[in-house]
Amino acid sequence: GAVVSQHPSWVICKSGTSVKIECRSLDFQATTMFWYRQFPKQSLMLMATSNEGSKATYEQGVEKDKFLINHASLTLSTLTVTSAHPEDSSFYICSVRTSGSRANFGPGTRLTVT
Amino acid sequence: AQSVTQLGSHVSVSEGALVLLRCNYSSSVPPYLFWYVQYPNQGLQLLLKYTSAATLVKGINGFEAEFKKSETSFHLTKPSAHMSDAAEYFCAVRPLSNFGNEKLTFGTGTRLTIIP
Repeated sequence: GAVVSQHPSWVICKSGTSVKIECRSLDFQATTMFWYRQFPKQSLMLMATSNEGSKATYEQGVEKDKFLINHASLTLSTLTVTSAHPEDSSFYICSVRTSGSRANFGPGTRLTVT
Repeated sequence: AQSVTQLGSHVSVSEGALVLLRCNYSSSVPPYLFWYVQYPNQGLQLLLKYTSAATLVKGINGFEAEFKKSETSFHLTKPSAHMSDAAEYFCAVRPLSNFGNEKLTFGTGTRLTIIP
């Protein structure tokens, strides 16, 4: 199955700055990747579906201009949180859909906005 | 539309006792069903999945789950709890399809605490 990595694992940034989170599929060419966010002690909520070579599909209520997704290659998708605010502090997790039913998840990136 | 409901946000069991985490699903089409485990400050790890084959599914770390269509349930069990089982457990559902972009919908999670 696909090994998924994320970088960085933890980032602290100041309010108003932008942060880029990388999701890499290390051994699988992923045409589709998913981005989730998880607030403390809550479940994962799908933010968007990242499609290689085309625009991402955002879930209702997710601001596409604030959460910029770029899936430029079959092994890399990036999520940029623009003009971050403290309420954006969360755990961001990406996943890669491999063959059949399996979805492999990255280890997550903890974002803290001060 | 699909959804999952996990009954009990917190479950505590004694070490060596039976673990039972409940999950009920709602789906307009036959679904895939999953159980994931999340250890503190880590991502999700797949425990097991149901993909319309055997209704009793065995996973890693001694966990298993049974798909019961009549009850729309997919409860997770383990005969004997270990201290290392303490974690957050998520049930998830996805439509039975292979187009590649179907969404996983997660339950709200159940925090499992093991009492020494």
